[in-house]
Formats: sequence, structure tokens, C-alpha cells
Amino acid sequence: GAVVSQHPSWVICKSGTSVKIECRSLDFQATTMFWYRQFPKQSLMLMATSNEGSKATYEQGVEKDKFLINHASLTLSTLTVTSAHPEDSSFYICSARAPVGGSYEQYFGPGTRLTVT
Amino acid sequence: AQSVSQHNHHVILSEAASLELGCNYSYGGTVNLFWYVQYPGQHLQLLLKYFSGDPLVKGIKGFEAEFIKSKFSFNLRKPSVQWSDTAEYFCAVTARTSGTYKYIFGTGTRLKVLA
Repeated sequence: GAVVSQHPSWVICKSGTSVKIECRSLDFQATTMFWYRQFPKQSLMLMATSNEGSKATYEQGVEKDKFLINHASLTLSTLTVTSAHPEDSSFYICSARAPVGGSYEQYFGPGTRLTVT
Repeated sequence: AQSVSQHNHHVILSEAASLELGCNYSYGGTVNLFWYVQYPGQHLQLLLKYFSGDPLVKGIKGFEAEFIKSKFSFNLRKPSVQWSDTAEYFCAVTARTSGTYKYIFGTGTRLKVLA
């Protein structure tokens, strides 16, 4: 099946710095990728939809200037958490959409655990 | 707005017990339905999915789910659970919103199977 990778798998950064997380579709091209955030013991919350070659679409309440998304190629989307604060500590998961049997299916990356100190 | 409800937040079972996890969704259009599992420390894995056809769907590891359109439900079942099924289970629905398909996840059900 389709494989999605994320890098890094975990990162610790100091408050005020920026962190970039990469999401790659390894064996398929993805025009659309999604970024989720998962708090401990909670469900995945969609942050934004990343479209190749165009601006990302952010969900209500997500600060687009804080969570910068770039989808520069059909296999790579990046999420940059700018001026990170401890409350940004979370598990960030990306997924890439692939056509399957006339519809679409999402394949999920392993996630990136961000800890802001 | 579209939503997905999982009524059981925590379930504890003994090995060999039968499992049924509820999932109801709110959306009037055509949906695709999924169940994902997240083992401790691991990423989401697809258990099974329903796009169309037979409403009884069989997935991996002995899991199955039944789509009942009239009840807007997609409950997950397994006749006999194992200790290794301890994990968190998420129901998800895709719905076409603003020209793209989005996944809407339920809040998850944490299953603990006692050996």
C-alpha cells in the first residue's frame, strides 16, 4: 500500500524558535495532503488542507501565520510551527490523499511529536 | 455540520469476549466510512473501509463493520478479542466539503483487553 513518511519523528525546541516538519508520499503523488493535530487521549483535529501549487486551506481557529504550510511538490508538504510556545506541544500527523477505486483514501504518516520547552 | 460520534470512550474486555464499538455520523450526502486503529506508540492503521456495495465489510485481524444507512451507523465488531487488540480505535467519515474530501474523525474508543 501507499506509504507516507514524516520527518522528524520527534523534536524538542525552545520557546520562540521555529520548527519544520516534512511529510512525504513515498510511492505515489499526492495533490492533496492534510495536517492534523492530536492532543493526548483525544482525536485527530484537522488543521489544514495542503494543495500542491496553491495556498493551504486552514480550518477555523487555526492560525495560518503560525502554522505555515508549503506543498511545493507532488510528494512533499511541510508544516512550519513559527515562534513555538509550550502550548504548541502536540503530536502532528500528516496524511496524503490518493485516488482509490473512483474515490479517495488517505494514508497517514507516523506522526511527529513536538515538545516546546 | 458533519460530525462523527463514538459513544464508548473506554472499553475493557477479557480475552475471547466479543466486541462492538459504536459509530454514528451526521451527514446527508454520500459518505465513505473507515475504522482506524492506533496501537500504543504507533501511527494510524486502516482496519477496514466502506465505499459502496455490501454493507458488511470485513477488515484485517478479524474485524468487521456494518454500514446501516437508515441509522447513520458503522459499528465495528470482532467476535473474540485478543490481548493484542488493546489500542485506540477511530471511526472516520469522508464527506465532500468545499470541493474537497475531508476526513472527520470520531473522538476514539480506547480498548483494553485483559489477558
